[in-house]
Amino acid sequence: AQTVTQSQPEMSVQEAETVTLSCTYDTSESNYYLFWYKQPPSRQMILVIRQEAYKQQNATENRFSVNFQKAAKSFSLKISDSQLGDTAMYFCAFGQAGTALIFGKGTTLSVSS
Amino acid sequence: GAVVSQHPSRVICKSGTSVKIECRSLDFQATTMFWYRQFPKQSLMLMATSNEGSKATYEQGVEKDKFLINHASLTLSTLTVTSAHPEDSSFYICSARDRVRGRNNEQFFGPGTRLTVL
Repeated sequence: AQTVTQSQPEMSVQEAETVTLSCTYDTSESNYYLFWYKQPPSRQMILVIRQEAYKQQNATENRFSVNFQKAAKSFSLKISDSQLGDTAMYFCAFGQAGTALIFGKGTTLSVSS
Repeated sequence: GAVVSQHPSRVICKSGTSVKIECRSLDFQATTMFWYRQFPKQSLMLMATSNEGSKATYEQGVEKDKFLINHASLTLSTLTVTSAHPEDSSFYICSARDRVRGRNNEQFFGPGTRLTVL
């Protein structure tokens, strides 16, 4: 069975600074996808970034980038130039074609001015 | 595109009553929808997988007779909490997988339904 581990329950960062959220996972599968979702106080799940396991290149979406280390089964999220609107709970998730996502326990990120 | 709605957004009911929550894909067809439950400051826990035209698949520990799921069309899945009790109070979230754009296993989430059972 696949598992996703987020070891940082809470993180804080100042505006404009950079923060990295950690995620590790365990699987014996070779084809899978990894995601970072953001859940702000509204509780709407928002896709931040997606990585296909077969791609070696790390995904990037504007201020968000990942460090995908397949051999180490690590998938960290880097947020650059943090903004107040980045304050939210962040979930790392593992998925395979057609199946439900498996989520980590989440990291609560607080961005302060 | 890829919008999922849930109705109602909030519901308060008395213990012993049944509550139905609707999940709709507004601009795409969803062959598969997923129902999650989330307690405050916790992660999303998968309850069941709903496939259009067939019976739902429930996760271990989820009572299928208590949480009835119907996926009668490619755009609608419903979750009915039967004989609700205070411990069923939670935030329920659905997600849908686009039949056509199922690439990358991306799923689109509804805004959630907050259920409070008195």
